[in-house]
Amino acid sequence: SQQGEEDPQALSIQEGENATMNCSYKTSINNLQWYRQNSGRGLVHLILIRSNEREKHSGRLRVTLDTSKKSSSLLITASRAADTASYFCATVWRGKSTFGDGTTLTVKP
Amino acid sequence: EAQVTQNPRYLITVTGKKLTVTCSQNMNHEYMSWYRQDPGLGLRQIYYSMNVEVTDKGDVPEGYKVSRKEKRNFPLILESPSPNQTSLYFCASSLGGGVSYEQYFGPGTRLTVT
Repeated sequence: SQQGEEDPQALSIQEGENATMNCSYKTSINNLQWYRQNSGRGLVHLILIRSNEREKHSGRLRVTLDTSKKSSSLLITASRAADTASYFCATVWRGKSTFGDGTTLTVKP
Repeated sequence: EAQVTQNPRYLITVTGKKLTVTCSQNMNHEYMSWYRQDPGLGLRQIYYSMNVEVTDKGDVPEGYKVSRKEKRNFPLILESPSPNQTSLYFCASSLGGGVSYEQYFGPGTRLTVT
């Protein structure tokens, strides 16, 4: 399987709840990025965290990185129906980029 | 508008017929990359380029070729396409391939090889 594995594979929540997705990876990284994809369309960058950072916020998004455990988490607070999408983590090391298999998030109105 | 464009968006072809998918970015980005995405899977990197005339293999380079003769363009060439190359292809670019640069993705090219 690929480096950069997301957990869970699928997540279904009610609007207003928080959604947490996890990503594990196997090798060294320069940075770790989270992307969103709606139904086979292009990916949209959400947030990037460098290997020397532990936590980063952007609007309703919070990302943590634990390089000792080779893991990251993405928290979406106060979710909305429009957050329904697939979310991918990607690790970057010296130009090589590795994506996980993604978490499919469904937010019910 | 800053963007990554890919052409064609949809392509149906037959086994063995050479094809090229073009990718162009207007952001003066140094780094460009090609990915393929198969159902239920994340993206797998095919090739990437850190700058003009510099290309490197990703995780799944077999059956593909690339070239980077100018900064804005990074075409993907399938010299002899096979059915297992049926996939959704994405091109991406970023300011650099290093520590702090996000990738901008094109809209995707859906390729079917029969």
